[in-house]
Amino acid sequence: GAVVSQHPSWVICKSGTSVKIECRSLDFQATTMFWYRQFPKQSLMLMATSNEGSKATYEQGVEKDKFLINHASLTLSTLTVTSAHPEDSSFYICSAMGQLNTEAFFGQGTRLTVV
Amino acid sequence: GNSVTQMEGPVTLSEEAFLTINCTYTATGYPSLFWYVQYPGEGLQLLLKATKADDKGSNKGFEATYRKETTSFHLEKGSVQVSDSAVYFCALSALSGTYKYIFGTGTRLKVLA
Repeated sequence: GAVVSQHPSWVICKSGTSVKIECRSLDFQATTMFWYRQFPKQSLMLMATSNEGSKATYEQGVEKDKFLINHASLTLSTLTVTSAHPEDSSFYICSAMGQLNTEAFFGQGTRLTVV
Repeated sequence: GNSVTQMEGPVTLSEEAFLTINCTYTATGYPSLFWYVQYPGEGLQLLLKATKADDKGSNKGFEATYRKETTSFHLEKGSVQVSDSAVYFCALSALSGTYKYIFGTGTRLKVLA
């Protein structure tokens, strides 16, 4: 299957700082990327959907000014958590789909801890 | 709207026991159905999928059949191993629009030696 790489795998940051997470499709062009958040022992909650070159579509209840998503190329999307707070600590997972795909491929996830 | 209902865990089994994890869905149209597995501290890995009614997805001894009449996609394995211990997520994806995935709540499986 296609490979999606997420970086970093884990990050610890201080409260008030911003953190950027990258999601790359390594062997296909990702026309659509999804960002999910997973709390401990819970399911994945979709945060936003982004199409290359367009503004992301955020799910209800997700602050778009706090979770900045950029999908500037067909192989890279970034999620920036701005002014992070301890309650933003979570596992963030991206997935990507190409134009010819009928399924999404998932990154390995990024564990964010805000202290 | 679309939704996935998955049996709650945790499920604890002895090695070589039979596994069933129930999953039912509600969807308009004909979604694709998936089972994903998540090992501790890792992302999701696709375990198997089915894209139309009566399709059977299978991988690594796991099977699931897309049952439109009962709107179900139950995961089964005849003989589990300790290495199967993980969290299993049932998911659906609409075939139109944005291909959003809807996930079930996940079922934690623990297999004892």
